[in-house]
Amino acid sequence: GENVEQHPSTLSVQEGDSAVIKCTYSDSASNYFPWYKQELGKRPQLIIDIRSNVGEKKDQRIAVTLNKTAKHFSLHITETQPEDSAVYFCAASRPGDSSYKLIFGSGTRLLVRP
Amino acid sequence: DSGVTQTPKHLITATGQRVTLRCSPRSGDLSVYWYQQSLDQGLQFLIQYYNGEERAKGNILERFSAQQFPDLHSELNLSSLELGDSALYFCASGPLTGTDTQYFGPGTRLTVL
Repeated sequence: GENVEQHPSTLSVQEGDSAVIKCTYSDSASNYFPWYKQELGKRPQLIIDIRSNVGEKKDQRIAVTLNKTAKHFSLHITETQPEDSAVYFCAASRPGDSSYKLIFGSGTRLLVRP
Repeated sequence: DSGVTQTPKHLITATGQRVTLRCSPRSGDLSVYWYQQSLDQGLQFLIQYYNGEERAKGNILERFSAQQFPDLHSELNLSSLELGDSALYFCASGPLTGTDTQYFGPGTRLTVL
C-alpha cells in the first residue's frame, strides 16, 4: 500500500548550520510532495511543495529536491534559526478522482540550538 | 491563518459518548479532508468529501462518519468513543479542481476520559 518513510525522527543542529530531512515514498504514481511545518499544538503549515515534473524548488532558505527514479525527496533548510525549531512532515499524493489525499511521513523533530 | 475554520477548539468527553466536529473550508474550496493526529500514529488520512460527495476513504473506523453539506462545511461524527480516540483532528481544504494543495484548519483537540 501507500507508504512514506521519513528520516531522521529527530535532528539537532547549531544555529546557522544546515538541516536535511529525507523521505521515501512507495507509490510510483505519486506526483505531489508537500512539506509541512508544525509547531506544538498548532496546525500543519505548508512551507514548500514540489511536483513530479520538477527536480528542485527553492524558496529563500528552504529547498526541496525530488528523485523520481529512487522515489525519494528531501527538505533542505540553510542558515537555520531558532524559530525553525518544529516538527516537519513530508507527504505524498497521487492524482485520483477529485481526491488528493495526503500520505504523511512520521515527522522529524528539528531543534535549532542558539 | 489558512482560512479554514474548525470548531470546537477543545472537546472533553467520556467513553461511550458521541461528538461532532465541524469544519468550514476556505472560500471557493470544494474539497474537505479529515486527518487524525495521535502521538503514536502521526497524521492519518480519514476521509475526503468533494462538493458534497465522499471521494476517498482512509483508515476511518466504522464508529466514525462524516458528511459535507450544501454550503460545503463538513462534520465529522465520532461515536462510542474510546480512550484511544483522543487525538487532534484536523480538516484541510483544497482548491476547486485539478490541484492538490491543501491548507489545514487549526484542529480540534479531543480528549476522551
